[in-house]
Amino acid sequence: SSELTQDPAVSVALGQTVRITCQGDSLRSYYASWYQQKPGQAPVLVIYGKNNRPSGIPDRFSGSSSGNTASLTITGAQAEDEADYYCNSRDSSGNHPLYVFGTGTKVTVL
Amino acid sequence: QVQLQESGPGLVKPSGTLSLTCAVSGGSISSSNWWSWVRQPPGKGLEWIGEIYHSGSTNYNPSLKSRVTISVDKSKNQFSLKLSSVTAADTAVYYCAREIIVVVPAAYINWFDPWGQGTLVTVSS
Repeated sequence: SSELTQDPAVSVALGQTVRITCQGDSLRSYYASWYQQKPGQAPVLVIYGKNNRPSGIPDRFSGSSSGNTASLTITGAQAEDEADYYCNSRDSSGNHPLYVFGTGTKVTVL
Repeated sequence: QVQLQESGPGLVKPSGTLSLTCAVSGGSISSSNWWSWVRQPPGKGLEWIGEIYHSGSTNYNPSLKSRVTISVDKSKNQFSLKLSSVTAADTAVYYCAREIIVVVPAAYINWFDPWGQGTLVTVSS
């Protein structure tokens, strides 16, 4: 199966922009979805498809993709954006489809 | 608005079987969605376990396939997870989630939303 690799941790100053990347072969074929997870809470969907935000997700969150890399950008990071972020995509490299999560990125807002 | 709620024993003995149920409210499990289980060991990342459609069709993570069974009970609007021969490595928070899939020309788009709150299962004697 494929792997999705993310930087373990990134930091961003309050109000600045941070980009979180996710690399993997499956991203050449499938879109990534992105999840925010705060301590002790379940993951929450923030981006899916080409660049779609669920209802209630602020427009400072955006997604993009190029080649084998998907990116989640937070423009004007807020203190409440401090969390772990995971990407996910479908992977059909085996006999049956499965889904793979990225290794996760811890975002610290300074 | 669809909501999911996991339930089941929080403690399972080694070599035993972990059994969890996910109750779906605010929508029908027979809708055109797949239903998934995802787990997260303490302090670690997310791992997709498997999924089921209301017809009973399933897909499993190959790394767990020999030990996993996911089933659906349409009459109770819920689906379940069984993981056999558990060890301490199976200690994790287990989440259920709805998976939405949209297939358009030249694109396959999927996402997991919503998620249940998660339930911690500890494997210990």
